[in-house]
Amino acid sequence: RKEVEQDPGPFNVPEGATVAFNCTYSNSASQSFFWYRQDCRKEPKLLMSVYSSGNEDGRFTAQLNRASQYISLLIRDSKLSDSATYLCVVTGWNSGYALNFGKGTSLLVTP
Amino acid sequence: EAGVTQFPSHSVIEKGQTVTLRCDPISGHDNLYWYRRVMGKEIKFLLHFVKESKQDESGMPNNRFLAERTGGTYSTLKVQPAELEDSGVYFCASSHLRDRSTEAFFGQGTRLTVV
Repeated sequence: RKEVEQDPGPFNVPEGATVAFNCTYSNSASQSFFWYRQDCRKEPKLLMSVYSSGNEDGRFTAQLNRASQYISLLIRDSKLSDSATYLCVVTGWNSGYALNFGKGTSLLVTP
Repeated sequence: EAGVTQFPSHSVIEKGQTVTLRCDPISGHDNLYWYRRVMGKEIKFLLHFVKESKQDESGMPNNRFLAERTGGTYSTLKVQPAELEDSGVYFCASSHLRDRSTEAFFGQGTRLTVV
């Protein structure tokens, strides 16, 4: 079983739509959780950290459920510029704080 | 402030040849990581330096891969001899040492093609 699993998509949504991505992780000792964004042929960039209490940054909301080992990302009012691959990332002392990546979920926002 | 820089951006080599990838982390970042993305797969951890010391090299595929970080500044990753399955994008990332949950900044990657 992979450490971090994501639905690869692609998710094709119209502008203005709300879209949600899910991610599960296998190691219950994981401590830190992130969503990274990767544009085509570019490097991954941090989108937001994910906290147990849930956190929001503008149109983006991230949530963590430690009991279910589940992480989500909600994007409201999608923009064309949101088109990218979204990477679920997990880390902790058990991995020496190296980042464990999911394969990513591809999002395409269309006009 | 300069970001993480990697050189070269692309490399095409023949099977059996040697290639050396270079990463310059953000100044002051003691953590330096190497990752690799093979076509169709997730980004995978290769190894982690804290300053000049190898903290964790459990992700290194085999002994054809050698990473160094002399003086705790830039790092090199040498593949010798290269095999076809080594093709992929090699990312370097750096972060501050003091906070392990802090953001890791990635370089633009080196796209390696072994033919």
